[in-house]
Amino acid sequence: DAGVIQSPRHEVTEMGQEVTLRCKPISGHNSLFWYRQTMMRGLELLIYFNNNVPIDDSGMPEDRFSAKMPNASFSTLKIQPSEPRDSAVYFCATARQGGNTEAFFGQGTRLTVV
Amino acid sequence: EDQVTQSPEALRLQEGESSSLNCSYTVSGLRGLFWYRQDPGKGPEFLFTLYSAGEEKEKERLKATLTKKESFLHITAPKPEDSATYLCAVQAGFQKLVFGTGTRLLVSP
Repeated sequence: DAGVIQSPRHEVTEMGQEVTLRCKPISGHNSLFWYRQTMMRGLELLIYFNNNVPIDDSGMPEDRFSAKMPNASFSTLKIQPSEPRDSAVYFCATARQGGNTEAFFGQGTRLTVV
Repeated sequence: EDQVTQSPEALRLQEGESSSLNCSYTVSGLRGLFWYRQDPGKGPEFLFTLYSAGEEKEKERLKATLTKKESFLHITAPKPEDSATYLCAVQAGFQKLVFGTGTRLLVSP
C-alpha cells in the first residue's frame, strides 16, 4: 500500500487566495483526520470523518476553513481566503474503524501564505 | 480539558547514553496512549499503543511504559539514527488524538 497520499507537498500562496489541500486515504481505512502542525502549538486536530461523515469539526479555527470527504478515497481541506497565520504543515491521517487503532499519517503539505 | 505535556523539549545524548522521555497526561477516560516518531519533513510514524497502567511495549532500543498519570519512552544505548522528534498522544473520545508538543532527540556519534 502506498500509504496516505497528500498533495501538494508544498504550497506558497498570497494572502486572500483560496488554497485546497488534498488527501487520498489508505484503502480500507474508514476514519480520516486533518491535523495542523506549528512550532508553537504542535499537532492540532482540525476535523475528523468517519465513513465519509464529519464527526467532530470543533478544531476548525474559523469559517475560512472547510473540509469535505465526497467518497472513501478522497478528502479536501480548503482555506478561503488564506491568511499569513494559516502558514503551517497540514497532515492528513487515516485509521481503521473500530476504536483504539493507530492513525497513519501522510507526508504533509507545507503551506506558506505571504 | 484533555492535556498532554512532554518533557524535556529537547534532549541531546551521546551514542550509547541511555535516557527517558516523559509524557504526562490528563484525560477523562483514557482509551489509549500512543507514541509516534517524526523525522524532519515527514509525517509522524506510529511506534506504540498502551492501554492500561502497568503495560509495557518494546521495539528495538525503545521501551514504552504507562502509569495512571504518565508514560515514559526509554531509549537504551541510542544510535544516531534514533534522532527524531518523539510525540505522545492520548485518545480522548472516539478515535480523537490529543498530542503533546514533542521531545526533539539528538544522538551524537
